[in-house]
Amino acid sequence: DTAVSQTPKYLVTQMGNDKSIKCEQNLGHDTMYWYKQDSKKFLKIMFSYNNKELIINETVPNRFSPKSPDKAHLNLHINSLELGDSAVYFCASRGDPLEQFFGPGTRLTVL
Amino acid sequence: SQKIEQNSEALNIQEGKTATLTCNYTNYSPAYLQWYRQDPGRGPVFLLLIRENEKEKRKERLKVTFDTTLKQSLFHITASQPADSATYLCALDRDGGSQGNLIFGKGTKLSVKP
Repeated sequence: DTAVSQTPKYLVTQMGNDKSIKCEQNLGHDTMYWYKQDSKKFLKIMFSYNNKELIINETVPNRFSPKSPDKAHLNLHINSLELGDSAVYFCASRGDPLEQFFGPGTRLTVL
Repeated sequence: SQKIEQNSEALNIQEGKTATLTCNYTNYSPAYLQWYRQDPGRGPVFLLLIRENEKEKRKERLKVTFDTTLKQSLFHITASQPADSATYLCALDRDGGSQGNLIFGKGTKLSVKP
């Protein structure tokens, strides 16, 4: 039983394209996150939703737009992809008390 | 400026020894601090959480300490095994703990040699 799942696992695309990454959690958690891990392995929070409401929005270009259709799903849409967007993107959800459960990651490569 | 630092990028130890990893922070007053393990090609996995009013937490062979005066956490793995080889990340909350707004250190890559 996968707790936090992401699709796709790998995404290779050209600069300027628009792409989406999907995330689903079956843990019943209210809060979900998107993180970016760059080539230096630095893991940074991008967004967080609590029960479909945006609660954290770090300094992220507005080409990135999260969408939460329900509390079990948090998708990430990226417009006009740039080379610097290449990274591994992780989705996570927050349990009780405060630990976060991460998905397997989506490796995005922009050519 | 606010910083969280894990002093060693890499740590190599012999099987059976105790591994000690360090996490220091500046200009934060976190309500709690967490440690995660990350294996290559996988997402981080939660290990332990320690709150600001706790000095020490244990779970099996793992022990975490938290010194809010020194602004430091130490993570220990006793009787280390090759299977403990991974990158270990510390993370602390930035806003009093209510939203899980975590900032992560860059990690320490631990290698346990048989």
